[in-house]
Amino acid sequence: QQQVKQSPQSLIVQKGGISIINCAYENTAFDYFPWYQQFPGKGPALLIAIRPDVSEKKEGRFTISFNKSAKQFSLHIMDSQPGDSATYFCAASMKGFTGGGNKLTFGTGTQLKVEL
Amino acid sequence: DAGVIQSPRHEVTEMGQEVTLRCKPISGHDYLFWYRQTMMRGLELLIYFNNNVPIDDSGMPEDRFSAKMPNASFSTLKIQPSEPRDSAVYFCASSWTGSGANVLTFGAGSRLTVL
Repeated sequence: QQQVKQSPQSLIVQKGGISIINCAYENTAFDYFPWYQQFPGKGPALLIAIRPDVSEKKEGRFTISFNKSAKQFSLHIMDSQPGDSATYFCAASMKGFTGGGNKLTFGTGTQLKVEL
Repeated sequence: DAGVIQSPRHEVTEMGQEVTLRCKPISGHDYLFWYRQTMMRGLELLIYFNNNVPIDDSGMPEDRFSAKMPNASFSTLKIQPSEPRDSAVYFCASSWTGSGANVLTFGAGSRLTVL
């Protein structure tokens, strides 16, 4: 079943603009929410992650906003650059290293294109 | 460290043939994951190992798929017989309990095409 829903499927943003990708989850036991970035021909790479004890985490131009009550989290890319053009995946997992607790469930991905 | 190493990077085979994909995780990592990526289904977890032991194989699509991890530095994903619907990019990823077992490092993937 789809436990992490991601939108939009694709996104075109002008250079310097803000890119926003949204995810919603169903399982309230999830407590780790990473975002992965994937360039063509490469594997996904961890970009930034958040735990539900904070509502926002910022690393450079990348910010995760987290709304526990709405079971939603989003990635904001400020001052988007052509080099940010990639596919972005949200994911979620439960804590614990047994019983599958550390399995990451991925969203379906968002293809971001930043145009000059 | 060279990261997670997968081979082959590309494989083209005919329906019915056996396919073996290989993965070398990062040294010291105690978790290994096999994912499949398709346009239709995105990233799907097939199976994962902890200390070389399979923990959850509920994502393996059917008996044609099998995975092994004979030691801490090597894993294989085998498809026998292969079918056109198996065409996908297969990723191996590894992680370490000490840094959070769900912090994954992915390999570059093996693109499989079954004709």
